[in-house]
Amino acid sequence: EDQVTQSPEALRLQEGESSSLNCSYTVSGLRGLFWYRQDPGKGPEFLFTLYSAGEEKEKERLKATLTKKESFLHITAPKPEDSATYLCAVRAYNFNKFYFGSGTKLNVKP
Amino acid sequence: GAGVSQSPSNKVTEKGKDVELRCDPISGHTALYWYRQSLGQGLEFLIYFQGNSAPDKSGLPSDRFSAERTGGSVSTLTIQRTQQEDSAVYLCASSSGRQNTEAFFGQGTRLTVV
Repeated sequence: EDQVTQSPEALRLQEGESSSLNCSYTVSGLRGLFWYRQDPGKGPEFLFTLYSAGEEKEKERLKATLTKKESFLHITAPKPEDSATYLCAVRAYNFNKFYFGSGTKLNVKP
Repeated sequence: GAGVSQSPSNKVTEKGKDVELRCDPISGHTALYWYRQSLGQGLEFLIYFQGNSAPDKSGLPSDRFSAERTGGSVSTLTIQRTQQEDSAVYLCASSSGRQNTEAFFGQGTRLTVV
């Protein structure tokens, strides 16, 4: 069965301490990998789409990368406002739905 | 509108009552999704609409759940005879409908069944 696994479940960083979040996936025919940010009480906010191994996307302090089995969301010199839950989703060949991981809750301390 | 709009933002209902949740997708988006997010859980797929095609209802948890999309735009998710386990945040998303594109989410409706 198609699966998306995110790690770690929670991550506490000091402001300025860079780190990476992992999303590993097993799907039949990847049609896209998506990263979202979700703040408490809000809906997920779209960040990036990656389509093929080797692809990278950047936005401010965030950089997403993709291999054939996993994706990383690298956070460089994070700030407290980067604190949120980061969700990874994949879309498979039948593309009717997005399969979501359970998320990584990031807490950046000043 | 500029984004996906959901209403109400919060709904408290008594066990056994029916509820309707509404979603206004981004103008021009042909694909619409409903997801459910229980406390501390991931997003659970419920139903998918694409244009005039038959909806993919494979994620609906029971026959108490139904959804429709009128005129290819607004969607309503109906839960009949609500149960306490239905308490969750119901999220709607829309996308352009082109293959492999991202979906944009609304703020969700927090449903509490008491």
